[in-house]
Amino acid sequence: GESVGLHLPTLSVQEGDNSIINCAYSNSASDYFIWYKQESGKGPQFIIDIRSNMDKRQGQRVTVLLNKTVKHLSLQIAATQPGDSAVYFCAEIGTPDFGNEKLTFGTGTRLTIIP
Amino acid sequence: DTGVSQDPRHKITKRGQNVTFRCDPISEHNRLYWYRQTLGQGPEFLTYFQNEAQLEKSRLLSDRFSAERPKGSFSTLEIQRTEQGDSAMYLCASSFPDRGRGEQFFGPGTRLTVL
Repeated sequence: GESVGLHLPTLSVQEGDNSIINCAYSNSASDYFIWYKQESGKGPQFIIDIRSNMDKRQGQRVTVLLNKTVKHLSLQIAATQPGDSAVYFCAEIGTPDFGNEKLTFGTGTRLTIIP
Repeated sequence: DTGVSQDPRHKITKRGQNVTFRCDPISEHNRLYWYRQTLGQGPEFLTYFQNEAQLEKSRLLSDRFSAERPKGSFSTLEIQRTEQGDSAMYLCASSFPDRGRGEQFFGPGTRLTVL
C-alpha cells in the first residue's frame, strides 16, 4: 500500500547547528506534504507544508524541500534551539479531493538538541 | 485557551468495558478528524467529519468503534467491548477550509490503557 517513511529514527544535533530530517514517500499521486512536530505529551503541531507543484518552501527557520523525481522530502531547521527537541513527522495528503484532508503520517524522527 | 480540547486525558479500563471520549474543536472549524497513535508510530486516520456529517471511516474503525458529531461542534468516539489492542493515544484534530491544506490543529489526546 501507499506509505510515508523516514530514513532515520533518531537525530542528535548541537544547539545552534542546522538539522536536516528526511522522509521518503511512495504515493506518486500525493498532492500535499506536511511536516508536524510533536513534543512529549502533546498532539502534533503543524510546521510547514508544500504542494506537489513546488520544490521548496521556506518558513521561519525552517525550509522544506521536495524532490518528486526520487519521492523525497526533507525538513531543514536552521540554528537549532533546545525547544526544537521533539519527534518530527512527515505526512501527506494523497487525494486531490479538497473536502477531505486526511493525513497519512510516517513513523517519525526524534530530534534531540544537545546544549 | 481556544485550542482543541479532549476529555479525558487518560482512561484506564478493563477489557470488555465501553469507553467514550470527547473532543471539542476550535469553534469556527467545521472539519474534525480522529486519529489513533501507538507508541513510536505516527498517527493513523480513523474518521472525518465535515460539520455533522461523517464522510469517511478508515478500515481501522471496526464495528466496535463509533463516532458522532451531532450538532457539528463537539464529537464523541466510543469504543465498545474494549480489547488490549485498543490501547493507544486517541487524537482529535480540527481544521477550517480557508487554511492551508494539511494544517490541522490537534488536541492533546486521550491515552487509553486497556488492562
